[in-house]
Amino acid sequence: EIVLTQSPATLSLSPGETATLSCRASQSVGDTFSAWYQQKPGQPPRLLIYGASTRATGIPDRFTGSGSGTDFTLTITRLEPEDFAVYFCQQYSSSPPQYTFGRGTKLQIK
Amino acid sequence: QVQLQESGPGLVKPSGTLSLTCAVSGYSISNTQWWSWVRQSPEKGLEWIGEIVHTGSTNYNPSLKSRVTILMDKSKNQFSLNLSSVTAADTAVYYCARNDFYSQDYWGQGILVTVSS
Repeated sequence: EIVLTQSPATLSLSPGETATLSCRASQSVGDTFSAWYQQKPGQPPRLLIYGASTRATGIPDRFTGSGSGTDFTLTITRLEPEDFAVYFCQQYSSSPPQYTFGRGTKLQIK
Repeated sequence: QVQLQESGPGLVKPSGTLSLTCAVSGYSISNTQWWSWVRQSPEKGLEWIGEIVHTGSTNYNPSLKSRVTILMDKSKNQFSLNLSSVTAADTAVYYCARNDFYSQDYWGQGILVTVSS
């Protein structure tokens, strides 16, 4: 089973700054199988990035996904007030087929 | 527009079976995508439960496989989750979602299920 470690657990920044969120997998995964989500209180997760770097429909270009192998990064530039939320990474493994989520990074206003 | 809506009891007794339904609108579940159940609790975070596709094929989280059944009713455009022998550890918000490109692109709003006597 793949274990995903997200860091930092909490990130305090101001609007306009750049956020860099990290996700490390316990074993190498294909780039196609990596995704990022944003979740706000009382709402379901919202898909931001799939295939490690492809933005989902309607996601602004301030959100960038990168990485490969075991290390993946979500970068959010020019932080807007609505960006402060919890972010989760996810990986899919094919043997056996299953999805795994990280524990999340809380992005909060400084 | 794709919409998913979970429904079912919000309270289940220990050792009982949790049963939820996900009604899909705006998209046919008979298409090629897989459809997932995911749950979220403070203790375990987000946990993928399993998935089903229009052929009836399923995949389950190995940690839950012995207790999970996911079924599909194409005539009603919905799919369901049964989780047996529940304990307090199964208390969570349960989501249904559509899979696409090895991720979940559409989600229901979630339903809180509490396991308690």
